[in-house]
Amino acid sequence: NAGVTQTPKFRILKIGQSMTLQCTQDMNHNYMYWYRQDPGMGLKLIYYSVGAGITDKGEVPNGYNVSRSTTEDFPLRLELAAPSQTSVYFCASSLRHTYEQYFGPGTRLTVT
Amino acid sequence: GESVGLHLPTLSVQEGDNSIINCAYSNSASDYFIWYKQESGKGPQFIIDIRSNMDKRQGQRVTVLLNKTVKHLSLQIAATQPGDSAVYFCAEITGTYKYIFGTGTRLKVLA
Repeated sequence: NAGVTQTPKFRILKIGQSMTLQCTQDMNHNYMYWYRQDPGMGLKLIYYSVGAGITDKGEVPNGYNVSRSTTEDFPLRLELAAPSQTSVYFCASSLRHTYEQYFGPGTRLTVT
Repeated sequence: GESVGLHLPTLSVQEGDNSIINCAYSNSASDYFIWYKQESGKGPQFIIDIRSNMDKRQGQRVTVLLNKTVKHLSLQIAATQPGDSAVYFCAEITGTYKYIFGTGTRLKVLA
């Protein structure tokens, strides 16, 4: 199994541009999550999903959107990039009713 | 407010020695705790977890201790190896989706 994969690894955006961060897992996990990690700060939950077709906001959802059309994929969309969205983004997944989350390698995004 | 924090931002230990990384939490309602390891340029990796109804849990070379009286969590790594060098952080979970992550402690293993 590849586990959780994320693309791209790095991206530089100009203010106002849009992009989609891709996340795929091959472990048949129901739960998927998007986090951002800022320097010196703990992970912050952006959005999560408990299954295909179901998504919900986390702690810091403003400026982001998600969709979950399949069990495997959970893309994160930035519509109008802002410098405050410069961060490292991690996707994670877990089995229903367990807390062990498996993280992807992350996407480092810079907005200038 | 709710917070999860660490006492030491950087911990240096000699190879072969035991390491102890500490974490304080503030939400007495948290019912589950996890320790993660994060190597440079990689995503966090689950190490060990403990439920609030337990005081101690052991894994391979790692032990987590939970002291609910003082809201303190610790991770002990036995016989620390160079491959243990990473940032370690704890997370407290309240309910199903409310995760609060600490900022992390960097562990440096000296040869």
